Order: sequence, then C-alpha cells, then structure tokens
Amino acid sequence: KQEVTQIPAALSVPEGENLVLNCSFTDSAIYNLQWFRQDPGKGLTSLLLIQSSQREQTSGRLNASLDKSSGRSTLYIAASQPGDSATYLCAVYIQGAQKLVFGQGTRLTINP
Amino acid sequence: DTGVSQDPRHKITKRGQNVTFRCDPISEHNRLYWYRQTLGQGPEFLTYFQNEAQLEKSRLLSDRFSAERPKGSFSTLEIQRTEQGDSAMYLCASSLGGLLSGANVLTFGAGSRLTVL
Repeated sequence: KQEVTQIPAALSVPEGENLVLNCSFTDSAIYNLQWFRQDPGKGLTSLLLIQSSQREQTSGRLNASLDKSSGRSTLYIAASQPGDSATYLCAVYIQGAQKLVFGQGTRLTINP
Repeated sequence: DTGVSQDPRHKITKRGQNVTFRCDPISEHNRLYWYRQTLGQGPEFLTYFQNEAQLEKSRLLSDRFSAERPKGSFSTLEIQRTEQGDSAMYLCASSLGGLLSGANVLTFGAGSRLTVL
C-alpha cells in the first residue's frame, strides 16, 4: 500500500526566507507527482506537476524535484511572502490505480 | 470551461439528517472522482466514475453513502443519517481520461464542507 508522508507537519518562518518542504512515498511505482496548495476551508490549487520522465519543474518562485528511486520529492519556495501561507499537499499517481494518494500536508506560516 | 463546480460550498446539518452534494465536472472530462478530507489530513479517495459507471469504491464509503452520475455529466454524493464523524470537506475532481498511463491529471473543485451538529 502506497503511503505518502510530509515533513514537517507545520513550519513557521520569517518573510524573505527560502524554504524546503519534503514529501516521501513508500512505493516508487508511480507516474506523476503533484504539489497542491490549500488555503483554509478552500479546495486544492495545483502548483506543479512532475511527470514520470521529469526530475523537476519550476513555476516562478517554486521549484519541485522528484527522485523516484529514493521515493522523495521536495518543494522549494524562494523569497517567501506572507501570501505563501497555506497548507501544501503532495500527491502521487499510482501505477495501476485510478487514484491519487495524498500526504497529510505541511501547514506553512510566513511571518511579516 | 469554468472548471469543476461543487454545490453547496458549506452545509450545516443535524445528526441523522440526509445531505446531498453536487459536482459538475469540466465538460469534456469523462472521469469523475470524490475525495473526503478531514481536518488536518490529506484528501482520501472515496469513489470514481467513468462516464455513468461507478468503477471503484473505497472501503471508506459506508452503506450510508451513495454516489451517482446518471447521465455521465454531473454527479451527486448523498449521505444518509449523517453522523458527527461525517464532518469533512468533500472534494470532487475530474479528468479527461484514465490515470493508468500517467497522461492525465485531476482537476479539483473548491469542495463542499459538511458540518454535522
């Protein structure tokens, strides 16, 4: 059974810092890995999708990497801003299954 | 294309009542998924449809839950005799095709939050 773990569960940093969120998964038989942002009480906003053949994706201040062999992904946020405060979820698309498996999320707070 | 729409956005109900949520997927998407997210946790898979056929159901979907997609377009998720443990965010997602090949991804709606008193 695929399990996805995100560390840390919560993170609080001052504005302007660069930070890294971690995601690990137990079974490397995945297709894609996707990072989402979720604001309190809201739905999921897709941030970055890393397809199986890729090792990283970048969008603005965000960079996500994927190492399937080690079962790890990282989301790097540069020059953090208070507006980045949210919960960040990673999810993997499992080979042979019609579903996403999510981690429990990292709750990020950027302090002005 | 207005994305995936869910209604209502928030429902407050008393224990024992029935509730129904509606999801309208992206129009050309033939796959539709329901997930449940409890406070502080990631979303968990409930069920999915290919057109009008419900092809997989999670063990999380107890007998009090029923999902339909009668014409292969919108879907409803009904919870009968609600319990306080049903309080959660119910998320709907759709995709253009299946997820087995890795070529398709899910697009999520804003969710329907259920509070059972």
